[in-house]
Amino acid sequence: NAGVTQTPKFQVLKTGQSMTLQCAQDMNHEYMSWYRQDPGMGLRLIHYSVGAGITDQGEVPNGYNVSRSTTEDFPLRLLSAAPSQTSVYFCASSYRTGNTDTQYFGPGTRLTVL
Amino acid sequence: GQQVMQIPQYQHVQEGEDFTTYCNSSTTLSNIQWYKQRPGGHPVFLIQLVKSGEVKKQKRLTFQFGEAKKNSSLHITATQTTDVGTYFCAMRNSNSGYALNFGKGTSLLVTP
Repeated sequence: NAGVTQTPKFQVLKTGQSMTLQCAQDMNHEYMSWYRQDPGMGLRLIHYSVGAGITDQGEVPNGYNVSRSTTEDFPLRLLSAAPSQTSVYFCASSYRTGNTDTQYFGPGTRLTVL
Repeated sequence: GQQVMQIPQYQHVQEGEDFTTYCNSSTTLSNIQWYKQRPGGHPVFLIQLVKSGEVKKQKRLTFQFGEAKKNSSLHITATQTTDVGTYFCAMRNSNSGYALNFGKGTSLLVTP
């Protein structure tokens, strides 16, 4: 299993450009999430999905869209990039067994918006 | 929203010294997870604690869950340079499926 994969690893955008960060998992996990990580801020939840066709907003959803057409894929779209979106983006997937729901993180996408 | 506070923000130790990071919540937690992130890497799951007063060990790492399930700690005995990284506690966000609310992390630097 490849686990959780993310592309691209690095990206530089100009203000106003749009792009999609890709995330895929091959573990058949129902739950997927997107986080952003900024220095001193920990990881903050952007959007999440509890299954194909179902998405919802997290703590910091403004400026981002998601969709979940398949169990495997959970792309994150930046509609009109802003410098405040410069960050490291992590996708995670998880499943629940009993009372345990471990999150598996992808390697991250490092985004700079100029 | 639900929050976990984590202290200290940074810790610099000499190799061989012990290290502890603490997480505190204002609400009772159903469980708490701990993750480690190496510099330039991604968070990696270490452990989950569920029961009141639970103590779990992984080699030199000891994890504790408070009796009231409102606090937790991670203690590393005799740190090594391989322990360098940021340690996060995380609680399940009951409003967001199985996504997590993370503490801000404790960055550990170990010098030889």
